[in-house]
Amino acid sequence: VHLVESGGGLVQPGGSLRLSCAASGFTFNTYEMNWVRQAPGKGLEWVSYISGSGETTYYTDSVKGRFTISRDNAKNSLYLQMNSLRVEDAGVYYCARDTGSSGLAFDNWGQGTLVTVSP
Amino acid sequence: DIQMTQSPSTLSASVGDRVTITCRASQSISTWLAWYQQKPGKAPNLLIYKASSLQSGVPSRFSGSGFGTEFALTISSLQPDDFATYYCQQYNSLWTFGQGTKVEMK
Repeated sequence: VHLVESGGGLVQPGGSLRLSCAASGFTFNTYEMNWVRQAPGKGLEWVSYISGSGETTYYTDSVKGRFTISRDNAKNSLYLQMNSLRVEDAGVYYCARDTGSSGLAFDNWGQGTLVTVSP
Repeated sequence: DIQMTQSPSTLSASVGDRVTITCRASQSISTWLAWYQQKPGKAPNLLIYKASSLQSGVPSRFSGSGFGTEFALTISSLQPDDFATYYCQQYNSLWTFGQGTKVEMK
């Protein structure tokens, strides 16, 4: 299992970024996926979830209406479109494989991509 | 929303010590609880799932217990590689992490 995030960078408040997570080593479309973030020096915060088919999504309250999670199962890729970015959105963003009903929680994580939001 | 509260926030211990970290959920989550270890600059690593099941490849000195709202992660004999930050996570209703417990060298 290999998850590789990309797309992070420096953006001004109000700007946009699109994060990507390339998956390999497993049957991507059979797994639910999540984005988890970590502000500098802080703890882990779940951000968003998407089902294997992409039909079901969930978001933490602070990003609803601004972030959109999606996936392209043909490309084994997960995405997070982040709009109207705020200073408090800064941090490392991880994609994590969700084992769903098997109950093994988030069993594999990428290395993370850093998002910096600053004027 | 389900809130997760870990204690302590920081724990000072020595190699060989038995270490216990607790996690409390704001409402019952049955056994839908996981524990992760994170080292600086690295992604979290799953240790325990379903409150007490050991993830493949994780040393047997790690164990988890609990049900409902009270949970614990125990390291039976702390090793040098275990100095890290530990997080609990509920996955009964959406997903919530505890604030973390840093295990540091005494």
